[in-house]
Amino acid sequence: ETGVTQTPRHLVMGMTNKKSLKCEQHLGHNAMYWYKQSAKKPLELMFVYNFKEQTENNSVPSRFSPECPNSSHLFLHLHTLQPEDSALYLCASSQEGPGLAKNIQYFGAGTRLSVL
Amino acid sequence: AQKVTQAQTEISVVEKEDVTLDCVYETRDTTYYLFWYKQPPSGELVFLIRRNSFDEQNEISGRYSWNFQKSTSSFNFTITASQVVDSAVYFCALSEAGNSGAGSYQLTFGKGTKLSVIP
Repeated sequence: ETGVTQTPRHLVMGMTNKKSLKCEQHLGHNAMYWYKQSAKKPLELMFVYNFKEQTENNSVPSRFSPECPNSSHLFLHLHTLQPEDSALYLCASSQEGPGLAKNIQYFGAGTRLSVL
Repeated sequence: AQKVTQAQTEISVVEKEDVTLDCVYETRDTTYYLFWYKQPPSGELVFLIRRNSFDEQNEISGRYSWNFQKSTSSFNFTITASQVVDSAVYFCALSEAGNSGAGSYQLTFGKGTKLSVIP
């Protein structure tokens, strides 16, 4: 148990569906992250939130929409996804920035997403 | 631009053998941080170690040891007397302190090395 919980663990959705991934951290951190992990590719940083403010958006398509209502919760809203979006989506948290570079990120177990 | 290379895609060893996982990085910053994470089949990445660029001391933690060499831009990870529970994908990662702050943060991961320890 790393203190970062992701739900659901598995999700199958059609291209026209709308779904949301949820991440909750119990570590008292103020920075949260979404990553995408595809087969045979490095982990890709998608979004960073620091004190509930989005500080990074790594050219992620608009069909992925993050939401951070407070420092403990992070959502990733999904709509009209493509089959190539099938991947493991990992959430992480760390102590607040500035100085994010040195902070250790703690990860959840991920949501395995399949888009049909 | 920062880059992390883990040239070994998959390694198989027999239990109790020692194994070294290689990590080579590229950065233009003088201040940076290197990390190793373990990803077991359950999926979550488990933090193993962080090293900053000014600390070249090697570190040992139980059966794990890390060899940081700035001269060769390498941060290799050795598991001594491997066990079946060590079977996982191991990731090396780099972040540049010069990129701290809004709009420019990036933790770059290598592609990972899948380690299989055979009983």
